[in-house]
Amino acid sequence: AQTVTQSQPEMSVQEAETVTLSCTYDTSENNYYLFWYKQPPSRQMILVIRQEAYKQQNATENRFSVNFQKAAKSFSLKISDSQLGDTAMYFCAFMRNSGTYKYIFGTGTRLKVLA
Amino acid sequence: ETGVTQSPTHLIKTRGQQVTLRCSSQSGHNTVSWYQQALGQGPQFIFQYYREEENGRGNFPPRFSGLQFPNYSSELNVNALELDDSALYLCASSLRDNPYEQYFGPGTRLTVT
Repeated sequence: AQTVTQSQPEMSVQEAETVTLSCTYDTSENNYYLFWYKQPPSRQMILVIRQEAYKQQNATENRFSVNFQKAAKSFSLKISDSQLGDTAMYFCAFMRNSGTYKYIFGTGTRLKVLA
Repeated sequence: ETGVTQSPTHLIKTRGQQVTLRCSSQSGHNTVSWYQQALGQGPQFIFQYYREEENGRGNFPPRFSGLQFPNYSSELNVNALELDDSALYLCASSLRDNPYEQYFGPGTRLTVT
């Protein structure tokens, strides 16, 4: 069975600074996807970034980038130039590339961006 | 915002009652998944529907059941409600051919008293 662990329940960062959220996972699969989702107080889950395990290059989306270490089963999210609108819960998620395509989520990290 | 809608937004039920939650998929999406998110936790997979058939189920008892309709909208039914069923229920829709892009609705907050 796959598991996803987020060891930082809460983090804070000053506006315009950089913050890194940690995520580790456990799986025996070799072909899978990893995701970071943002859940603001409005509750809607919003995809931040996606990484395909077979791609060595780290994914980037504007101010968001990941550090994907497949051998270490680590998948951290870096947010550069943090903005007040980045305040939210952030969930790391795993999806195997076969069978039922379902997310396995971590317990989340609450990020607060301070003015 | 995604094109996925859910109703109702909130509801309160009493232990032992039954509840039906509804999800309307993003246009053209033929696969719907349901998740339960307890307070302070990440979402947990309940089940998935494709072409009106259940296509995978998580570790939830049979009193959690679902339906998918020909227009791809979906229902989640929970019988014999328990206090621990209090949670945010999320649905996510996707195309069968592109399961890595799932779009979530805003959720239904269920409170069981």
